[in-house]
This record gives sequence, C-alpha cells and structure tokens, in this order.
Amino acid sequence: GENVEQHPSTLSVQEGDSAVIKCTYSDSASNYFPWYKQELGKGPQLIIDIRSNVGEKKDQRIAVTLNKTAKHFSLHITETQPEDSAVYFCAASGTGNQFYFGTGTSLTVIP
Amino acid sequence: DAGVIQSPRHEVTEMGQEVTLRCKPISGHNSLFWYRQTMMRGLELLIYFNNNVPIDDSGMPEDRFSAKMPNASFSTLKIQPSEPRDSAVYFCASSLYPNTEAFFGQGTRLTVV
Repeated sequence: GENVEQHPSTLSVQEGDSAVIKCTYSDSASNYFPWYKQELGKGPQLIIDIRSNVGEKKDQRIAVTLNKTAKHFSLHITETQPEDSAVYFCAASGTGNQFYFGTGTSLTVIP
Repeated sequence: DAGVIQSPRHEVTEMGQEVTLRCKPISGHNSLFWYRQTMMRGLELLIYFNNNVPIDDSGMPEDRFSAKMPNASFSTLKIQPSEPRDSAVYFCASSLYPNTEAFFGQGTRLTVV
C-alpha cells in the first residue's frame, strides 16, 4: 500500500512568519492529496487539496505544491496567526480510494 | 446536514468487554472509513466501505475487530474482547465520491482499563 512520510513532526513559528510542511509518498498511482487540520478534541478537517494534474493551488494564506516526479508535496501557510496552531496531516489517495495519512505536524504559532 | 455523527463520544470499559462504536455518515455519501488515532501510530485506516460493501479491511488489527455497514446510513465497529492496547480515538469519515474530501466525525475516545 501507500506510505506517506511527513516532516517536521513539530514546528514553532512567530506570528506573521511562514510555515512549511513537507510530505512524500510512495505510490505513483496516487492522484489526490488533501491536507487536514486537526484541533484539540476534534476530527480532522480539510483545509486544501490538490490533484495530480495540478502543480500548485492557493487559497488565501494557504498554498500547496505538488511534484509528481519526486513524489512530494508541501503545505505553505503565510502570515501565520495564533489560530493556525493545530496538528496538520497530509494524505494521499489513489485508485483504491483509501486515504493514507502522514504522521502529523504539530504547529505552534507564537504571538 | 449535521455532518458525520459518531457515538458515543467517550467510552470507558473493562478489559474483556465488548465495545461497539457507531457512525452515521453524511446522507448521500458512498464511501465510509474507520480510522484509529494514537500518539504512537497516528491515523491508521482500519476499514473502508464503498456502497455499503467492505472494500479493504487489511488495516483491521486482528480478529477481535469487526465492522459492518448494514445500510447507507449506519456503520458499526465492534471490538470483542477489548484490551487496554485498543485505547485510542476512533474516527469515522465519509466521502461523496472516490478521491474527494473525506468528512470526519468528532471521534470516539475509547479507554479500556
């Protein structure tokens, strides 16, 4: 099956700075790459996703890039705010429709 | 829609007891997933249903775990007998089509003592 690796496991940034989280995947058949944000005591919630026919997607302060050749994708958060503090998960999904998640990144935005 | 609904939110049980977790997916969604979340192993896919049929249960840890989806609006995950190492947060998620956004429930925090 698919293997998704995510780095770093923890990340602290000053408010207003950018945060970058990176993921790699192993299955070249994977074609859908969502990013989820999980706040304490809640289920993960989708924040942005990208498909394999697109290299980059942006939604306000959040952007995701995908390099199919290298099998890696990244989440970029600009102008971070304290409410961005949470655990972020990347995931990959392919022909089987199962979502395989990375191990998560705990992001702390310091006011 | 109220989203994916899981019950109970919290469950504390004694080792050896049977535990049943319940999930109501979003109406109209064709895919349903059960995940287990722990600090050590992160989010693990346990089983995936499509149109009420189990497609992949390779993530189910052992025979003590079983899952059913008798109809499009209800699924259960059963652990019998439960063990302390089963303690985790169990999430149910559903999606409308393959490879589209999966919506997660609030989870069930299971503690086996």
